[in-house]
Amino acid sequence: QSALTQPASVSGSPGQSITISCTGTSSDVGVYNYVSWYQQHPGKAPKLIIYDVSNRPSGVSNRFSGSKSGNTASLTISGLQAEDEADYYCSSYTHSSTWVFGGGTKLTVL
Amino acid sequence: EVQLLESGGGLVQPGGSLRLSCAASGFTFSSYAMSWVRQAPGKGLEWVSTISGSGGSTYYADSVKGRFTIFRDNSKNTLFLQMNSLRVEDTAVYFCTKEIVGSGAFDSWGQGTLVTVSS
Repeated sequence: QSALTQPASVSGSPGQSITISCTGTSSDVGVYNYVSWYQQHPGKAPKLIIYDVSNRPSGVSNRFSGSKSGNTASLTISGLQAEDEADYYCSSYTHSSTWVFGGGTKLTVL
Repeated sequence: EVQLLESGGGLVQPGGSLRLSCAASGFTFSSYAMSWVRQAPGKGLEWVSTISGSGGSTYYADSVKGRFTIFRDNSKNTLFLQMNSLRVEDTAVYFCTKEIVGSGAFDSWGQGTLVTVSS
């Protein structure tokens, strides 16, 4: 159950777009379309923003989008806003009927 | 509105036990798989355990297998996590989560309860 690999940090200016990658293996991201993304502000519980690779829950801005290619999933945030500054985590179902998270990425809005 | 309210956290010595509870409301509890996810201080998220809606199937992370037990009381809309043989590395905020049917993504989270394992 090794953690998925995410960059430790990314940054962007307001209005720009950024992409966060999430690399797994052929036992998780590469074989299942059960990849989800979570946003967590300091001291708060995580919030689901993308599920099943590219689906947005009701109420989540369409500035958030997800995709997958091979063993790597990606989260793109377009039109960056100050409120997007947070930690972001990916997660995937695995062949062991378990779940695995990425190490998290800190997004800084410059 | 979905609400998940955890309780039962606290300070416990290494080797000790603790039982966490999660009171659920706002949805048909027995229809959904539920999970526990934890976060050590200043660290990332770690999936701990999942239980099916009926309670008949359970899954555990290797780090807690054999020490933690997840179970639920659907008549009381409550999820539990029995934690035995606690270790210092189990120190974390424990979140109760609800899963999306057919997806498993965690679409609702409680506010978390802090478990501190220390002598």
